[in-house]
Amino acid sequence: SQQGEEDPQALSIQEGENATMNCSYKTSINNLQWYRQNSGRGLVHLILIRSNEREKHSGRLRVTLDTSKKSSSLLITASRAADTASYFCATEGNNRLAFGKGNQVVVIP
Amino acid sequence: NAGVMQNPRHLVRRRGQEARLRCSPMKGHSHVYWYRQLPEEGLKFMVYLQKENIIDESGMPKERFSAEFPKEGPSILRIQQVVRGDSAAYFCASSPPGLASEQYFGPGTRLTVT
Repeated sequence: SQQGEEDPQALSIQEGENATMNCSYKTSINNLQWYRQNSGRGLVHLILIRSNEREKHSGRLRVTLDTSKKSSSLLITASRAADTASYFCATEGNNRLAFGKGNQVVVIP
Repeated sequence: NAGVMQNPRHLVRRRGQEARLRCSPMKGHSHVYWYRQLPEEGLKFMVYLQKENIIDESGMPKERFSAEFPKEGPSILRIQQVVRGDSAAYFCASSPPGLASEQYFGPGTRLTVT
């Protein structure tokens, strides 16, 4: 089954810097999604990118998708302390989402 | 339009007891998914249900775990004779029919087995 895998696992940055995290997957996909999870909370959907899209923007978020390399990246620009969270990519197949282990991002004020 | 509701938010059970986790999907959603998140891990698919029908339970442990989504009322994830390894966060998601990519997640139930 498809499975996202994020790299790196943990990232600590200063407020105002950009944060980049990557995700790779193993099989063909229809779309790939990124979610945020604050400590002890549920998942918040950030952005969905379809397989025929290469780049997508939403506010301070920029997602890229390279289907030839089976990888995606999430860039958070001008980070804020409130961006401190875990970020997961997920691929959809067989009526389920397959999540990676997540990237923990800490933004230091 | 209320989002996906889960209750309880926190549940403590002693080994051997039963745990019942409830999930009410978003209005208009008839498909429900359950996922489990172990500490420091991503979410793992457990089961996919429609009203009165289990579509895919390939992610469910073979024993002690069951799920239902009755015609009326919330979806229930039931864990019998809980063990410490069942301690995790259990998330429910719902989607419109045929749109598994549009899953909306509830806040989760954190189960602690003592």
